[in-house]
Amino acid sequence: DTGVSQNPRHKITKRGQNVTFRCDPISEHNRLYWYRQTLGQGPEFLTYFQNEAQLEKSRLLSDRFSAERPKGSFSTLEIQRTEQGDSAMYLCASSYDRGPYNEQFFGPGTRLTVL
Amino acid sequence: DQQVKQNSPSLSVQEGRISILNCDYTNSMFDYFLWYKKYPAEGPTFLISISSIKDKNEDGRFTVFLNKSAKHLSLHIVPSQPGDSAVYFCAATSGTYKYIFGTGTRLKVLA
Repeated sequence: DTGVSQNPRHKITKRGQNVTFRCDPISEHNRLYWYRQTLGQGPEFLTYFQNEAQLEKSRLLSDRFSAERPKGSFSTLEIQRTEQGDSAMYLCASSYDRGPYNEQFFGPGTRLTVL
Repeated sequence: DQQVKQNSPSLSVQEGRISILNCDYTNSMFDYFLWYKKYPAEGPTFLISISSIKDKNEDGRFTVFLNKSAKHLSLHIVPSQPGDSAVYFCAATSGTYKYIFGTGTRLKVLA
């Protein structure tokens, strides 16, 4: 098991373009989370899946953001019409289905730069 | 509204000494707390956690203390090693699967 993987690791795009990131969780984990981290801040929760169901979304996730986990395995996070304020590290995490009191395992993140 | 605060952005400690990282929270509904360590270009790595029914949890060189009345937790690393140099984040949850993270403390362990 190689842990949580994320692709791409870096993405540079121009304002107004659409971008999509992929997250592959640890295989036996059925919970998957997306966070965003900006400079000098801790990770901020964006959304959470249990299997393929998206159960919670943060107010940070505007209409330009959409996340999917079609078969309960990998997940994608799409940002449409990117803005410079979207520049951040996007982190994916996964965990076992043992209630909320279990650690989330994070991937290395995708660093997005919007020019 | 910063519900989880790490007021020390950085800390330097000599190798072999104790490192103490602090975290304060405001939401009394939080009942599970975690510490993560982050190296550059990597995602956060889980270190240790504590439930609100306990006031101490220990794992090797790492001990987390929870003071519920003060809404304060701390991470003790003893003895500190150069490989412990990283950014440390505390996180809290009230059972909603959503972790609220602090802003991090950069620990530098000097050889």
